[in-house]
Amino acid sequence: DAGVIQSPRHEVTEMGQEVTLRCKPISGHNSLFWYRQTMMRGLELLIYFNNNVPIDDSGMPEDRFSAKMPNASFSTLKIQPSEPRDSAVYFCASSLGAVAYYNEQFFGPGTRLTVL
Amino acid sequence: GESVGLHLPTLSVQEGDNSIINCAYSNSASDYFIWYKQESGKGPQFIIDIRSNMDKRQGQRVTVLLNKTVKHLSLQIAATQPGDSAVYFCAEGGDNYGQNFVFGPGTRLSVLP
Repeated sequence: DAGVIQSPRHEVTEMGQEVTLRCKPISGHNSLFWYRQTMMRGLELLIYFNNNVPIDDSGMPEDRFSAKMPNASFSTLKIQPSEPRDSAVYFCASSLGAVAYYNEQFFGPGTRLTVL
Repeated sequence: GESVGLHLPTLSVQEGDNSIINCAYSNSASDYFIWYKQESGKGPQFIIDIRSNMDKRQGQRVTVLLNKTVKHLSLQIAATQPGDSAVYFCAEGGDNYGQNFVFGPGTRLSVLP
């Protein structure tokens, strides 16, 4: 299995531009997670989906962030407009099922976003 | 590749020695805990987990201890190897699905030859 696939691996953009991060979960996995990792705040859960439905988006920082999962094999995290403080590594993870006790999360390699 | 912050607490151990990494968690209602390993340029990787109804769980070369009284979690790695060099995070969870985890700041483990 290829694991969780994220693209792009690196993104450099200018403040005010729209940024779209992409994720392909492991085939057959029903839960998908978006995380952000920074030096100051560590690893934070932004949003997660079960069966393509957003379950908890309380970690999404503000309205500039949005996430979609149009089908079981694809998800996007969009930032519009981007700001320098959005610079971070964004990870996508997937798990087979909904209950954490029995379903390990598998992380992708991450996308390093730099907003100038 | 992607990497964690550069100013984490660091634990240096000699190859072959045992390592103990500690974590204090914040929510006394948390009922599920995970240790993750993150190597440079990679995403976090599950190591071992424990539920709040247990105080110890063992895996291959790793043991997790949970002390709910003082809200403390530790990860013990036996016979530490160079491949164990990484950043280690604890995570606590416990909502209805248990998937909304709060991660600790991490500890960098450096294995000396």
